[in-house]
Amino acid sequence: LAKTTQPISMDSYEGQEVNITCSHNNIATNDYITWYQQFPSQGPRFIIQGYKTKVTNEVASLFIPADRKSSTLSLPRVSLSDTAVYYCLVLYGQNFVFGPGTRLSVLP
Amino acid sequence: DTGVSQNPRHKITKRGQNVTFRCDPISEHNRLYWYRQTLGQGPEFLTYFQNEAQLEKSRLLSDRFSAERPKGSFSTLEIQRTEQGDSAMYLCASIETGGTGELFFGEGSRLTVL
Repeated sequence: LAKTTQPISMDSYEGQEVNITCSHNNIATNDYITWYQQFPSQGPRFIIQGYKTKVTNEVASLFIPADRKSSTLSLPRVSLSDTAVYYCLVLYGQNFVFGPGTRLSVLP
Repeated sequence: DTGVSQNPRHKITKRGQNVTFRCDPISEHNRLYWYRQTLGQGPEFLTYFQNEAQLEKSRLLSDRFSAERPKGSFSTLEIQRTEQGDSAMYLCASIETGGTGELFFGEGSRLTVL
């Protein structure tokens, strides 16, 4: 199974841009990269998915370099409500395998 | 459709009892996943179904754990002879095969074994 590595925690202040990088050195050719957000006592929620280069939606951007061995989730102008755990997943076949995630704390 | 529904949301039981959790996926989603999540950890994959077929169950934690999806719609996860180490949040998710790859999760069922 493709394994992902991301920082355990990050702190930021309101209004700042936050970038969370995930390493997936042994990603396979057909694997997609997906990011989820989870608040306490809730199920994870899909943020964004990409295969290569850059993907942007209304809440985030995802940057994937040409070698695809890493990816960076970018959250523009975070607010207190963005405090959550963020998971990077590599879709391996039919399995969605979560790592421990990055705990983002947004401070006032 | 209101999304993935899980019941019960909370279950407190005594060690040695059996418990069953139910998951109702989004109606057009034919793939269903079960995960377990303990405090401070990411969701841990347990098993998944494609319609009524259970395609991966090797990661079920022990033979006390079993899951079914008899008609390819709702699914149940049963834990027999519960142990204190089974205390966790049990999450269900569904996805449409060939869709965008977005897993839709329920709110989870929290199990406390006394």
